[in-house]
Amino acid sequence: QSVLTQPPSASGTPGQRVTISCSGTSSNIGSNYVYWYQQLPGTAPELLIYRNNQRPSGVPDRFSGSKSGTSASLAISGLRSEDEADYYCAAWDDSLSGWVFGGGTKLTVL
Amino acid sequence: QVQLVQSGAEVKKPGASVKVSCKASGYTFTSYGINWVRQAPGQGLEWMGWISTYNGNTNYAQKFQGRVTMTTDTSTSTAYMELRSLRSDDTAVYYCARDRGDSGSYYVGHWGQGTLVTVSS
Repeated sequence: QSVLTQPPSASGTPGQRVTISCSGTSSNIGSNYVYWYQQLPGTAPELLIYRNNQRPSGVPDRFSGSKSGTSASLAISGLRSEDEADYYCAAWDDSLSGWVFGGGTKLTVL
Repeated sequence: QVQLVQSGAEVKKPGASVKVSCKASGYTFTSYGINWVRQAPGQGLEWMGWISTYNGNTNYAQKFQGRVTMTTDTSTSTAYMELRSLRSDDTAVYYCARDRGDSGSYYVGHWGQGTLVTVSS
């Protein structure tokens, strides 16, 4: 049981826009930044979005993040086949004094 | 460029210990902390703890307190994670991941390639 809640799956067709939600509480998302990681099949996770909505260099602007209250979302526009991956949200939790992750969302490009 | 290279796969029996290494390069080792995160087969990510490479301070997730020890060797820019009293549900890929950020606001940034630890009798 993950501390942050994500839908287990999402899907879209090439060119579409998809969003992935991440729900938390006041001790994590509600009071701290949200981060998103992309994990391609058989590889290690990679940072996709940091501090709610910032993209590391090299991440296409098709990826965007937002946060409101105790929820956050990742949006992917112009969906491409190479976006097929697992996506995880994360945040620092003040009550646990540690990082917490969502259970992950498997994105399928149809 | 930042590189974190982890040790190879391990097979252990229940009750044994495992020590995974993570050798860093491409930056000043003592400038950023190291996190350890694990992923059971087909499951999500689970943060195990963090170690300061500057002074060795640690912050372990409560679930692993008393069973995990994180250390560093600054002379070789290597971080270690030892997990004791292994059980079958400790079977997972273990990742080291370097802090990233600045001005006191750090987050899990660069990841190692992962080390598969299998616990089986």
